[in-house]
Amino acid sequence: GQQVMQIPQYQHVQEGEDFTTYCNSSTTLSNIQWYKQRPGGHPVFLIQLVKSGEVKKQKRLTFQFGEAKKNSSLHITATQTTDVGTYFCAIFMEYGNKLVFGAGTILRVKS
Amino acid sequence: DAGVIQSPRHEVTEMGQEVTLRCKPISGHDYLFWYRQTMMRGLELLIYFNNNVPIDDSGMPEDRFSAKMPNASFSTLKIQPSEPRDSAVYFCASRPGGPYGYTFGSGTRLTVV
Repeated sequence: GQQVMQIPQYQHVQEGEDFTTYCNSSTTLSNIQWYKQRPGGHPVFLIQLVKSGEVKKQKRLTFQFGEAKKNSSLHITATQTTDVGTYFCAIFMEYGNKLVFGAGTILRVKS
Repeated sequence: DAGVIQSPRHEVTEMGQEVTLRCKPISGHDYLFWYRQTMMRGLELLIYFNNNVPIDDSGMPEDRFSAKMPNASFSTLKIQPSEPRDSAVYFCASRPGGPYGYTFGSGTRLTVV
């Protein structure tokens, strides 16, 4: 079935450094969603990207959808300790009307 | 809005016992989803409902798992009999009709000993 690969699995950064996580698919995606899960918490919806080449920003977070709609990235500028958690991309599969999650990238921020 | 409400938050049970997890979705949300999260397998979709009707249960591991949604404000996930490999965090999520983001509950951490 349709899958999405997410890299890296884990990243440990110094506070103030930037962070990027990537999602890649072998097939064209209709859209992609991003979620954040704090340690011990539950996934929280961040954003959905739909259009080819789309770029959206939420404060220090920048989300991109590739021109071919096969990849996406989440970039955090100047990380803070509040950014720690696992970031998931997820594909919304319309034919099945269900969301399939990537494996997630664990972000740790050292202050 | 109280969000998606799950109970219990934690459950410890002995192998062979029946376990029932409960979920109250956000009012007005047409879709309800049950996910399981483990370190090894990540977030797995078990089953989802649309307007209280089960649509896709292909992710349910085996016959020991069953889910119901008797009305728009309540769903259960039952495991009978439970096994240690069922230990995981079980999340319920809901969303309105259309390609919107999901709202997850706080989850139930199940430990089967």
